Order: sequence, then C-alpha cells, then structure tokens
Amino acid sequence: LAKTTQPISMDSYEGQEVNITCSHNNIATNDYITWYQQFPSQGPRFIIQGYKTKVTNEVASLFIPADRKSSTLSLPRVSLSDTAVYYCLVGDLVLSGGSQGNLIFGKGTKLSVKP
Amino acid sequence: DTEVTQTPKHLVMGMTNKKSLKCEQHMGHRAMYWYKQKAKKPPELMFVYSYEKLSINESVPSRFSPECPNSSLLNLHLHALQPEDSALYLCASSQALTYEQYFGPGTRLTVT
Repeated sequence: LAKTTQPISMDSYEGQEVNITCSHNNIATNDYITWYQQFPSQGPRFIIQGYKTKVTNEVASLFIPADRKSSTLSLPRVSLSDTAVYYCLVGDLVLSGGSQGNLIFGKGTKLSVKP
Repeated sequence: DTEVTQTPKHLVMGMTNKKSLKCEQHMGHRAMYWYKQKAKKPPELMFVYSYEKLSINESVPSRFSPECPNSSLLNLHLHALQPEDSALYLCASSQALTYEQYFGPGTRLTVT
C-alpha cells in the first residue's frame, strides 16, 4: 500500500503561491494521485488528479516528477478562503485479477493564509 | 445537480440502538463510498460500491452494515455500536472507480 507523507502545517499570506509536497515512495504503477481540500465540519472537495507530469485546472496545478515518488500541489495567489486542510491521496480502486484496491488519505496539511 | 446529500446531519444513539445513515446522489454516478473521520484525522475508507455491488470492504466490524438499494442511494445500518465509533461519517460518489469523488457534508454520530 502506498503511504503518503505531507507537512503537518504551512503558513502563507494572501496573494502568494503555495506549494504543498506529498511523498509517496512506494507508489504502484496503477496508482493515481489526487488532492482534496477540506474545511471544518464539511466533506472534502476535489481539487485535482494526475498520473504523471503536470496537470492544471482552474484552481491548481499538480506537478509529478518522472519517478512519481512525490507530487506537488501548487495553489496560485491564495486568499483567506483557501485556509483549509489539504489531503494527498494515492491509490487505485480498480485492480486486475480480483484483488481489492485501496485508497489512503495522507494525514493532511493544514494551510493557514494570513492577510 | 452536483450534490451528495446525507441524512441525518447529527445522530445520537445508545449502544443498544439500531439506526441508519442515508446518502443520495442524482449525478448518475455508479460508485459510492462510506468513510469514517475522527476529529483532526483524515477520512478512512470503509466501503465501496461499484454498480450497486460491494466492491471493497476495509475489514469494517459487522456492527456496520452497508446497503445500496439502487444506483442513487447508499445506506449504512448501525447496530450495537461502541463509543469509539463516534465520528463524522462521510458519503461520496464518483462517475466510476478512479474518478474524482464528490463528498456529502457528513453525519456527525455520537454513541453514548
């Protein structure tokens, strides 16, 4: 099972770019990398997903090096409303041969954005 | 409609009670999930349904019993729970396995 490691917390100021790195040294060939955001007392919200190289959407970018042993979530120009916990997930729920897949949330990075 | 709804929002139950949590989505998603989240911890996957069949059971105690009556509904039946089962129970759905998941707001469960 791929285990992920993230910084426990990060601080930033409004308007800055924030990069959160997740380590997943034993990622499997079929595993995807997904990031979620969670506010207190709410369910997680999908941010971005990737398999390799770089993925960009309207809210974030995800950088994955060739060896896929880490990934970096990049949030451009954060605002106060980006204060939340950010989770890195690695896993695959679809395995061949009848094996059961798995999806494990990292421990999360608490991002605090200050004015 | 991109919403996953969960009822009830809060539930307090005794250790001898039987209760059910409900989850509903109308996005046409064919995968649905139950997670358990303790305070200040990440969500832990409990069950996964794919095309209304139980696909993954993460060795969850039998006092938790999932049910998927149709592609839009997911239930979690609770019986003889322990105080340590108190947590936020999250439901999610996705177009299929490996696609991004949409989470509901959760049910805050307290077992007394």
